[in-house]
Amino acid sequence: AQSVTQLGSHVSVSEGALVLLRCNYSSSVPPYLFWYVQYPNQGLQLLLKYTSAATLVKGINGFEAEFKKSETSFHLTKPSAHMSDAAEYFCAVSYSGNTPLVFGKGTRLSVIA
Amino acid sequence: EAQVTQNPRYLITVTGKKLTVTCSQNMNHEYMSWYRQDPGLGLRQIYYSMNVEVTDKGDVPEGYKVSRKEKRNFPLILESPSPNQTSLYFCASSTRGAGANVLTFGAGSRLTVL
Repeated sequence: AQSVTQLGSHVSVSEGALVLLRCNYSSSVPPYLFWYVQYPNQGLQLLLKYTSAATLVKGINGFEAEFKKSETSFHLTKPSAHMSDAAEYFCAVSYSGNTPLVFGKGTRLSVIA
Repeated sequence: EAQVTQNPRYLITVTGKKLTVTCSQNMNHEYMSWYRQDPGLGLRQIYYSMNVEVTDKGDVPEGYKVSRKEKRNFPLILESPSPNQTSLYFCASSTRGAGANVLTFGAGSRLTVL
């Protein structure tokens, strides 16, 4: 069964520091990969999506993620954290267009002034 | 504006009192799905629907029912709510299957069962 693991339920960074949120998926079969963000008291919204066109995917708000097949990883990064980045981030995976997404358990990002 | 609308946003009810959480989307999406979000467990899928009159169980369907009589609506029914169904619920939709397509989420419905 497909699965996705997010390392660290809570990550805390200083404003201006690098953000790194980790995501590993369970299979070597090329997957569909997503990062979603949930701001306080809101629903989830798409941050970025891996489409197999390029291994480095750029998303909204300066975030990007790199697909590494050899490591089955899709880690999310941002060079410089901003207070407004404080939110919960979910990695999600699917292995077919008609297979429901499986979400990771989420990583809460705190940004300290 | 393209959106998924859920109602109610907040609800406190008692054990055994049937309730329905409505979900409606205005994007003509074929695929709709319900998730529950619990601390430490992330999002878990309850039911999903690939199109009108087609529904399937997700990972945690026990205690829930759904129906898809119209393309735009996908209500979640709790016939006899219990305290372990206290949770934050999200409805989402996308074109065709969700595997390759972006999900649009509603704002969430926070349910408390006493």
